Amino acid sequence: EPEVTQTPSHQVTQMGQEVILRCVPISNHLYFYWYRQILGQKVEFLVSFYNNEISEKSEIFDDQFSVERPDGSNFTLKIRSTKLEDSAMYFCAGTPSYNSPLHFGNGTRLTVT
Amino acid sequence: GDSVTQMEGPVTLSEEAFLTINCTYTATGYPSLFWYVQYPGEGLQLLLKATKADDKGSNKGFEATYRKETTSFHLEKGSVQVSDSAVYFCALSGIGTSYGKLTFGQGTILTVHP
Repeated sequence: EPEVTQTPSHQVTQMGQEVILRCVPISNHLYFYWYRQILGQKVEFLVSFYNNEISEKSEIFDDQFSVERPDGSNFTLKIRSTKLEDSAMYFCAGTPSYNSPLHFGNGTRLTVT
Repeated sequence: GDSVTQMEGPVTLSEEAFLTINCTYTATGYPSLFWYVQYPGEGLQLLLKATKADDKGSNKGFEATYRKETTSFHLEKGSVQVSDSAVYFCALSGIGTSYGKLTFGQGTILTVHP
């Protein structure tokens, strides 16, 4: 069964550095999402992306965050200047149609020191 | 706004015991409801779903019924196995084009002992 692949599995970065988290969605997926889970807290929606545009974003997704799908395959989340509070597990997800259940990747654990 | 509340964990059971994990929700409109499971070191996997009131979702021996009158979607399994040890998340969808904007509960850690 095809999978959503996220790389790296663990990323350690220093505060203020830029970080890019990568996701390879399943090939027939058209709708893409990023979620995050801070340790001990709920999984939270960050952003949805369709047709090369952001469809919806949460309050968390401020100007420090951006997403893109530059080559039609990889879907990336960039954090421009990381803060300690950005430390979390970040999950990529996709779906072939807007009303289908999401398929999640295994996540990238981001640690900001 | 929308919210999901799961029973507090962790839950520890012996193999073949009956499992219930409670989930209640608050939502506007008529969302779909989901249970996702996260095995150690893995991502969130869809376990089951229900799209409207009185629907029963089922998979791998797990069941949950969408109860609009009690705004609940409790997860049950008649006889758990050690391999069911995982974190279980209840979630609800957004409405319309926001369907994929899921609201999650806090997760319930289940440990099953032989």
